[in-house]
Amino acid sequence: EVQLLESGGGLVQPGGSLRLSCAASGFTFSSYAMSWVRQAPGKGLEWVSDVGGSGDRTFYAESVKGRFTISRDNSKNTLYLQMNSLRGEDTAVYYCARVFRGLKDGFDIWGQGTVVTVSS
Amino acid sequence: DIQMTQSPSTLSASVGDRVTITCRASQNIINLLAWYQQKPGKAPKFLIYKASSLQSGVPSRFSGSGSGTEFTLTISSLQPDDFATYYCQQYFSYPIVFGQGTRLEIK
Repeated sequence: EVQLLESGGGLVQPGGSLRLSCAASGFTFSSYAMSWVRQAPGKGLEWVSDVGGSGDRTFYAESVKGRFTISRDNSKNTLYLQMNSLRGEDTAVYYCARVFRGLKDGFDIWGQGTVVTVSS
Repeated sequence: DIQMTQSPSTLSASVGDRVTITCRASQNIINLLAWYQQKPGKAPKFLIYKASSLQSGVPSRFSGSGSGTEFTLTISSLQPDDFATYYCQQYFSYPIVFGQGTRLEIK
């Protein structure tokens, strides 16, 4: 079964850091670009970042550029999101998602999400 | 950045109704548009890609159309399981942008 499982969310103070992980199974992880998408409480979906299959190409939303870093370890079938200098507006459910085909496309497989709360 | 605007924001309908949700892009995105369904507390579900291609396993009552800047998602005969929030998403260029969502509620 194709599956994505996020972990690493939690409560963090403003200015703090957190690293999210997303463990993939059931497909050839290195063949797919991957993405992080977040959803603030009661709000819509917001794309955060993409990484190509080999990890060499990365893209970020302006709202997180310079603070967040996306990466992947294809030997461990795991996607990461390092989040630094966290702000209250980063509070959200963070989903990892598989890019359907190529680098820019829809997201066909989603994890269940991990909750990040930034508060003092 | 490309802006995506969905209408209406909320739609009230009954089981068996035919409903249409519109998504407008601020510039030409050809047909590089996807649609999702999301239920409370759950991850989004991928419904349609390339504006009109139905993802495997999605019921045929869902259909998408459009190109350029105007797109629609149509549900031909609403079923109880279809009451949810729907989002469009452009993937023509970075940053990838979602519409603000359309909540489909029971009348």
